[in-house]
Amino acid sequence: DAMVIQNPRYQVTQFGKPVTLSCSQTLNHNVMYWYQQKSSQAPKLLFHYYDKDFNNEADTPDNFQSRRPNTSFCFLDIRSPGLGDAAMYLCATSRTGVDATEKLFFGSGTQLSVL
Amino acid sequence: AQTVTQSQPEMSVQEAETVTLSCTYDTSESDYYLFWYKQPPSRQMILVIRQEAYKQQNATENRFSVNFQKAAKSFSLKISDSQLGDAAMYFCAFSRSNDYKLSFGAGTTVTVRA
Repeated sequence: DAMVIQNPRYQVTQFGKPVTLSCSQTLNHNVMYWYQQKSSQAPKLLFHYYDKDFNNEADTPDNFQSRRPNTSFCFLDIRSPGLGDAAMYLCATSRTGVDATEKLFFGSGTQLSVL
Repeated sequence: AQTVTQSQPEMSVQEAETVTLSCTYDTSESDYYLFWYKQPPSRQMILVIRQEAYKQQNATENRFSVNFQKAAKSFSLKISDSQLGDAAMYFCAFSRSNDYKLSFGAGTTVTVRA
């Protein structure tokens, strides 16, 4: 029944070692988002895809990249993780925009630890 | 830029009682949407309730209701008949009408005492 699936649930990487987080959806939504949520803080949008169009937030570090090979999958690549990148990474989808008739569907998140 | 402020880091409520979470926001937009999301310990964000700014009537979803004061830019959430399963972090969020992005507040942790 899971509609937005994030794997793995927990990811441990080493300082500077590239890591990829994955997100898949069964909703056929055309918009996919990646949020970063540090402990006890609000989720912060990193970027989103509207179909194949990539939209980066102005303050998202260059260290973060994303790929969306098809409608169902979206990946978050962290090229050289630092200790400050340890966080929960949330994937979300929506059909068009966040308006009165639409809403975001969130995955359960991937908790990233950097050693 | 829009900012969303939740001034209560933590709230505690007795089971079956009512608790109100506050949220204020700052925007120059006239058309926008407001949301309350619940994030339980499982960490999955769940939409609780949403409000369209052009609607004067306050949204209600079962035990959850909002008090939307557009002029004051205030959007509080009332949880009635609190249950143990309501324990979670609650985020207030804002979206412009033609935008895909949510701006979240810092969150309020709600604990429910049995």
